[in-house]
Amino acid sequence: QKEVEQNSGPLSVPEGAIASLNCTYSDRGSQSFFWYRQYSGKSPELIMSIYSNGDKEDGRFTAQLNKASQYVSLLIRDSQPSDSATYLCAVLTSGTYKYIFGTGTRLKVLA
Amino acid sequence: GAVVSQHPSWVICKSGTSVKIECRSLDFQATTMFWYRQFPKQSLMLMATSNEGSKATYEQGVEKDKFLINHASLTLSTLTVTSAHPEDSSFYICSARAQKVPGLAGGNTYEQYFGPGTRLTVT
Repeated sequence: QKEVEQNSGPLSVPEGAIASLNCTYSDRGSQSFFWYRQYSGKSPELIMSIYSNGDKEDGRFTAQLNKASQYVSLLIRDSQPSDSATYLCAVLTSGTYKYIFGTGTRLKVLA
Repeated sequence: GAVVSQHPSWVICKSGTSVKIECRSLDFQATTMFWYRQFPKQSLMLMATSNEGSKATYEQGVEKDKFLINHASLTLSTLTVTSAHPEDSSFYICSARAQKVPGLAGGNTYEQYFGPGTRLTVT
């Protein structure tokens, strides 16, 4: 069964620090990877998508992908209390083109 | 761009009644829409995938006669929870996939954009 694994947390970081969120996946054929942010009681919001090995930066966010290690991460620089949320890793499965979501990592940014 | 609306945002209904939830892609055409359910402190659970003009594909364990999905146009999908029971109380979220995201050069991105969700409470 294809799986996506995330540490559930909570991951606590002080304001201004770098938050590092990790995700591993089992489907070696996957080519598309996504990070979503979900605030409590709200629906997920797309932060980043990444398709190629390496880093992709967008503002304070950097997604990193290593297909050989089946690993994708999200770095949040200069973390703010408003970044406190659950971060979901989603992997597009090869063949069915459906997302498989990780269980999410709860991030707490302490003021 | 890439905005998805969902209506209603919350609904309370009596056991045995049916509830319809609408999901609309406002500024793009969604060839595929997805319906998820999320219980408190749990991750998203995919219920079904719907493609415009064809029957929805349901995930294992999801009753297709209880959760009726219609994807009548490229911008609208509906989920009807029939004969709702208290155990159907949950947060229902739709998402839409555009083959080409407005303003984004290139081909398929497979990005999904989520509606704001509908909180259903069955009493």
